[in-house]
Amino acid sequence: SQQGEEDPQALSIQEGENATMNCSYKTSINNLQWYRQNSGRGLVHLILIRSNEREKHSGRLRVTLDTSKKSSSLLITASRAADTASYFCATAGPISGYALNFGKGTSLLVTP
Amino acid sequence: DVKVTQSSRYLVKRTGEKVFLECVQDMDHENMFWYRQDPGLGLRLIYFSYDVKMKEKGDIPEGYSVSREKKERFSLILESASTNQTSMYLCASSRGFEAGGYNEQFFGPGTRLTVL
Repeated sequence: SQQGEEDPQALSIQEGENATMNCSYKTSINNLQWYRQNSGRGLVHLILIRSNEREKHSGRLRVTLDTSKKSSSLLITASRAADTASYFCATAGPISGYALNFGKGTSLLVTP
Repeated sequence: DVKVTQSSRYLVKRTGEKVFLECVQDMDHENMFWYRQDPGLGLRLIYFSYDVKMKEKGDIPEGYSVSREKKERFSLILESASTNQTSMYLCASSRGFEAGGYNEQFFGPGTRLTVL
């Protein structure tokens, strides 16, 4: 069953600006992951943050996790037109086992 | 380069036909998954498999079955296709938990299925 819920559903920014997307979930997790999907394509794994971590960086990506609030945020700094895509959070937990629960995604548009 | 491949990018079938969607991974992953993706509904898990010949139902298994005879191949079967199964189908694979993996999934490019 879907657990993650992204906010906002859609986001439009200009190149060079930062983009922030949020994800909330309902039950305890082992880790939370972010994926990107370019139009009509499969998903690509971006970053994974474990439940005992609070912040993680990868290139222009910064992910935070607040397990007390059951929420995460993905920050993309200095956005580029190539960052235009849908972004999904996914949770893995003791209930889901091997499977991930995906949210419905945030659609990001970065205009030149 | 790791890869998950799906047999077709686009597929058009008629109502009542039996449809096979094939997925192959070359990463020796234990786990394989089938999702469908629909606008406004996100990704929903249909079935997954954590070992050869093993399968588990996901959130929406009705109208679907799966087959995993070899570790690298996971097939999704629509026994009698219906128009409400028109969707994007995504296959994914991941390492088994025993290997120390944390469930990062690798996705195929997707199959856009239209049932007329």
